[in-house]
Amino acid sequence: GAVVSQHPSRVICKSGTSVKIECRSLDFQATTMFWYRQFPKQSLMLMATSNEGSKATYEQGVEKDKFLINHASLTLSTLTVTSAHPEDSSFYICSASVQGLYNSPLHFGNGTRLTVT
Amino acid sequence: QKEVEQNSGPLSVPEGAIASLNCTYSDRVSQSFFWYRQYSGKSPELIMSIYSNGDKEDGRFTAQLNKASQYVSLLIRDSQPSDSATYLCAVTLISSGGSYIPTFGRGTSLIVHP
Repeated sequence: GAVVSQHPSRVICKSGTSVKIECRSLDFQATTMFWYRQFPKQSLMLMATSNEGSKATYEQGVEKDKFLINHASLTLSTLTVTSAHPEDSSFYICSASVQGLYNSPLHFGNGTRLTVT
Repeated sequence: QKEVEQNSGPLSVPEGAIASLNCTYSDRVSQSFFWYRQYSGKSPELIMSIYSNGDKEDGRFTAQLNKASQYVSLLIRDSQPSDSATYLCAVTLISSGGSYIPTFGRGTSLIVHP
């Protein structure tokens, strides 16, 4: 149980274009999902917390107008990287917990490797 | 600043040995602690969760928690080359706004050599 599906797994796009990444909880409802970014050989960096039916909460230093997050249902959150540039190339991972975070681990999607040329 | 600290390693152990991975955290009110394993190029997968002081065993893995010392560890017995990965310590911290934020350490790279 507790499967998080993330698509696409890999995307290559040209500089200036936008890319949408989908994150779905397949067998549970997730009122909150988390989006992380990971550069090679570095730790997971929390980008934003996605809340169903409300605006996302962004971490300091993350541009909310560049990384658009939509959490329109209890099973789907999307991250759109707008006007992508080579420095946005990274591994993006979404996650969700089945219950509240107080006593429940995160379950991760398989990640999306974004390459901007 | 609330943090989760891990030695980045690499920690190198021979096959069959016990690997010991350590993590400290700064927020005394943290209640939930997790260990994840991440293979290169893959997303993290949950290994262990622990919520109360003491040891918790699951197969070859044992998590140890000491809230007074703000310390959590992971022991891997009979280490195998397939255990070679980065191990992430995660702690649920409480933000200034009162929400629960999963916070990860930098991860410790483990290498198990035959």
